[in-house]
This record gives sequence, C-alpha cells and structure tokens, in this order.
Amino acid sequence: AQKITQTQPGMFVQEKEAVTLDCTYDTSDPSYGLFWYKQPSSGEMIFLIYQGSYDQQNATEGRYSLNFQKARKSANLVISASQLGDSAMYFCAMRVSNTGNQFYFGTGTSLTVIP
Amino acid sequence: EPEVTQTPSHQVTQMGQEVILRCVPISNHLYFYWYRQILGQKVEFLVSFYNNEISEKSEIFDDQFSVERPDGSNFTLKIRSTKLEDSAMYFCASSLAGNQDPTQYFGPGTRLLVL
Repeated sequence: AQKITQTQPGMFVQEKEAVTLDCTYDTSDPSYGLFWYKQPSSGEMIFLIYQGSYDQQNATEGRYSLNFQKARKSANLVISASQLGDSAMYFCAMRVSNTGNQFYFGTGTSLTVIP
Repeated sequence: EPEVTQTPSHQVTQMGQEVILRCVPISNHLYFYWYRQILGQKVEFLVSFYNNEISEKSEIFDDQFSVERPDGSNFTLKIRSTKLEDSAMYFCASSLAGNQDPTQYFGPGTRLLVL
C-alpha cells in the first residue's frame, strides 16, 4: 500500500530563517514521484516542487528545495529565507507509476511565519 | 500562465439534491482528476479521467458520483443525491501526461456545503 506521513501538524519559523517540513513515504514500487503543495487560508492548492524517484539531484525551485533521501524514504521540503506569505498548510503527495495517476496525500503541516 | 478554473467557488445545497461542479482544465492537458478535502482533513482522490473515460476511481467514488467531459473544455463532477458527509472542498486537477510530466495542477476548489 502507498502511504505518505507528515508528522508535524504545526511548525513555527522566524521570518528570514529556513525551515524544514518532514515527509516520509512508503511504497514498494521503484518508480514514483514526490510533490509538495502549499494551501493558503484561501484554500487553493499551489504546486511547489517535484522529485522523481530516479532523479540524481535534489529538486530546487527558488526558495524551495527538496531533501530527498531515498534510503530513508524521506522527501523533506526546505524553505529558505521564510516570508510572512509562506504561512500556510503544506502537503506532501506521492504518485506511484504502477498504480496509475492518483496522488496520495499526507495530512499536512501548518506553517506559521513569525515576524 | 494557464490555470485550472472551477465554478462555482461555493455551493450550498439541500440534502438529496443534485449538484454539478464544473472545471476547465489547462487546455493542452490530457488527464483530469477530482479530489476532495473534508474540512481539516487530507486531500483524497476521487477519480481520474483520460481519453473520455474513467481511468481510475477510489472507493469514495460510488454510484452517486459521475464525471463527464461534455465538450472540449469543461470537465464536470455530478453528485446525484447529496448527503451531509459530501460537504467538502472539491478540487479539480489536470496534468499534461502520465509518466512524462506527472505534475497535477489544481484549481481553486469548490466549497460544497450540504444542509
């Protein structure tokens, strides 16, 4: 079975500091993709970053980077230089190639950036 | 930048009524999805649609639900006889392809309240 676990229900970070949001996953399939989405209080789901299971390098997108540790089955999101606008829910998701295109989501982490 | 749009943004309905949620996926995308998020919970997959037919569906997607692509742009989710527990945010998503570009782009959601 496919599973995504986010163990931090809430996190706080000082503005301009970096923060790491944890995500672990479980799948026996060698081909999968890992995604992070941001959900502000307005409710929409905003795509942030993607990491494929065969990618050799960690994905980066601006201030977002994904710390992919395959042996540990973890895909933590690192946000550098936090901004007040980063306050939101963050969801980790996985797509497993052999089970189709559906995404499996974690329960999310609520991030609050403190001025 | 192209985006997924959804209408209406909010829908209030009486239990037992039919509702149709509408989505316009990104124009060159081939795969379409519906997800739901009950308040305070994680995002759950409902159904995926490709080549004018359902390609996957979850246990949640029972006979009360149906999807349709009535024309070249719209993608709809119909709930035939709504129940109280159908109250949730419903997200439409689309992706360009399966394995080549698996990122799913989400619409802003329709918040459905069943009274």
